[in-house]
Amino acid sequence: DQQVKQNSPSLSVQEGRISILNCDYTNSMFDYFLWYKKYPAEGPTFLISISSIKDKNEDGRFTVFLNKSAKHLSLHIVPSQPGDSAVYFCAASEGGTGNQFYFGTGTSLTVIP
Amino acid sequence: KAGVTQTPRYLIKTRGQQVTLSCSPISGHRSVSWYQQTPGQGLQFLFEYFSETQRNKGNFPGRFSGRQFSNSRSEMNVSTLELGDSALYLCASSLAGTTGYTFGSGTRLTVV
Repeated sequence: DQQVKQNSPSLSVQEGRISILNCDYTNSMFDYFLWYKKYPAEGPTFLISISSIKDKNEDGRFTVFLNKSAKHLSLHIVPSQPGDSAVYFCAASEGGTGNQFYFGTGTSLTVIP
Repeated sequence: KAGVTQTPRYLIKTRGQQVTLSCSPISGHRSVSWYQQTPGQGLQFLFEYFSETQRNKGNFPGRFSGRQFSNSRSEMNVSTLELGDSALYLCASSLAGTTGYTFGSGTRLTVV
């Protein structure tokens, strides 16, 4: 049973525009969320995180929004660049030591020059 | 500092064989987790080790096992390989397993 879902397998965006990647989760005990970016033949790279005490976290062009009541988070990339083309995974955990992270199935983002 | 190193990068095995994958975490990281990535399934958690002890385990059959050594290096073993075990196996390390991981590049296992 997939506790973290990314319902859009792919997304195409024009360079310079906003990319919005969505993620839904089912476990209300999740309190820590991450986004990873993955290029082919490489391992995922940590991008940005957010804990449940916040509803927004920003890092440069990347902003993550958390809506706890809807069990939904999103990653905004503004402006999108061709180098952002990759697969993006969201992940969630219940926090604390040793708790596993549950990953979504990923969204493949293509930024068109 | 050096990242997470996984060896080998690619592996081809025959059904029924067993395989051992290796992961060297970032120096100082004591938590090592293993994930399986297959198309359409995302990253599925296998297990996590911290200070040589398995702290958490995902929903994989007993054919999948692991261990961690005193230097935090970890190995993952899969016995009696099945075709469905073909996947990218990723290792990730963190200081204590509470925050974001650093992933290795993975081992691509193909079972024929």
